[in-house]
Amino acid sequence: DSGVTQTPKHLITATGQRVTLRCSPRSGDLSVYWYQQSLDQGLQFLIHYYNGEERAKGNILERFSAQQFPDLHSELNLSSLELGDSALYFCASSVYRERRNTEAFFGQGTRLTVV
Amino acid sequence: AQTVTQSQPEMSVQEAETVTLSCTYDTSESDYYLFWYKQPPSRQMILVIRQEAYKQQNATENRFSVNFQKAAKSFSLKISDSQLGDAAMYFCAYRGPFGNEKLTFGTGTRLTIIP
Repeated sequence: DSGVTQTPKHLITATGQRVTLRCSPRSGDLSVYWYQQSLDQGLQFLIHYYNGEERAKGNILERFSAQQFPDLHSELNLSSLELGDSALYFCASSVYRERRNTEAFFGQGTRLTVV
Repeated sequence: AQTVTQSQPEMSVQEAETVTLSCTYDTSESDYYLFWYKQPPSRQMILVIRQEAYKQQNATENRFSVNFQKAAKSFSLKISDSQLGDAAMYFCAYRGPFGNEKLTFGTGTRLTIIP
């Protein structure tokens, strides 16, 4: 158990809908990262939050948004869903020590299926 | 932009034998981290080993060790005394310095253990 909690584990929804994926980082971790794993794109970085502020953005679609709350949990919102958004979405958190973020620990992922 | 290349889509090894998975990367940065993650059929991403670029000594974690060749930008993973539980996808990942802390992943190597 990595200590990173993601809910739900599975989600099936229709095209055009909106869903919210939730992530609770490990206790004490200030950084949260979101990644998408799909068969054709592999593992892709979406976005990084540090202590409530957006730190970096990757190949995140405009239909997708995220935020990190004061209690450090994070949510990834996916809207106007398309079939191609079907993927495994991972959240990861990392320890900050010696003035840097170190290794990332991953949650179990949310498998999103758009039908 | 950083890239990570894993040129072996699939590898197999006899149980109790040793196997080496290859990874090369490209970066212009001098301060970075490299990781190997394991993804078993459960789809969980599990950190196997990490290497800081400024350390010349190769990292070791029990049966797992790396051969880090900074000048050649090579980072291979050696698994000794292979066990059935080692069967998984293995991903090599790069993380840059402060301000560029996202993980860039290779395409993965599927490792099969032959009993």
